Amino acid sequence: QKEVEQDPGPLSVPEGAIVSLNCTYSNSAFQYFMWYRQYSRKGPELLMYTYSSGNKEDGRFTAQVDKSSKYISLFIRDSQPSDSATYLCATLFQGAQKLVFGQGTRLTINP
Amino acid sequence: DSGVTQTPKHLITATGQRVTLRCSPRSGDLSVYWYQQSLDQGLQFLIHYYNGEERAKGNILERFSAQQFPDLHSELNLSSLELGDSALYFCASSSSPSNQPQHFGDGTRLSIL
Repeated sequence: QKEVEQDPGPLSVPEGAIVSLNCTYSNSAFQYFMWYRQYSRKGPELLMYTYSSGNKEDGRFTAQVDKSSKYISLFIRDSQPSDSATYLCATLFQGAQKLVFGQGTRLTINP
Repeated sequence: DSGVTQTPKHLITATGQRVTLRCSPRSGDLSVYWYQQSLDQGLQFLIHYYNGEERAKGNILERFSAQQFPDLHSELNLSSLELGDSALYFCASSSSPSNQPQHFGDGTRLSIL
């Protein structure tokens, strides 16, 4: 079993839709949670970074962490074609020196 | 632009050869991390250096080695290359080992023919 599980998709939605991306993790010691966006031929770009359970909002993006069920989500409101990319969840625990990534979900927003 | 610079962008070489990938971290960042991204394995952590010292190793092959220099740039050396080493290699940096998050460069695409 992978430490972080993420449905690779692909996921295709119309412009303006609300997108929900999800990951589950197995190690309850994970304390930090991140979402990265990766465009083709580019490196992962940090979108959201959170420590605790609950919601964190940044513009059209909301990250949600539920530590009791080991579930993390990213919601994108009013999705745009420019949001088309691969979205990677990542976790680590206090003192860890490496990020553990999900497989990534390939998202396409259709105009 | 993350501020992390990786060169070259693309390398094409043959099996058995040796290559060096270079990374310059963001200004002020002391930690450098190397990751390998392949279609079947996703993003996998290779190694972490902090201020010139190795701090953690992941799934890094013995044929691979890295170092971080006094000016904080880092190099990843890959030797005796095999077809399976074809992948994207990313460098990331952060200001300290415990101070996340990590910011990634745009990677080096390594193609082994």
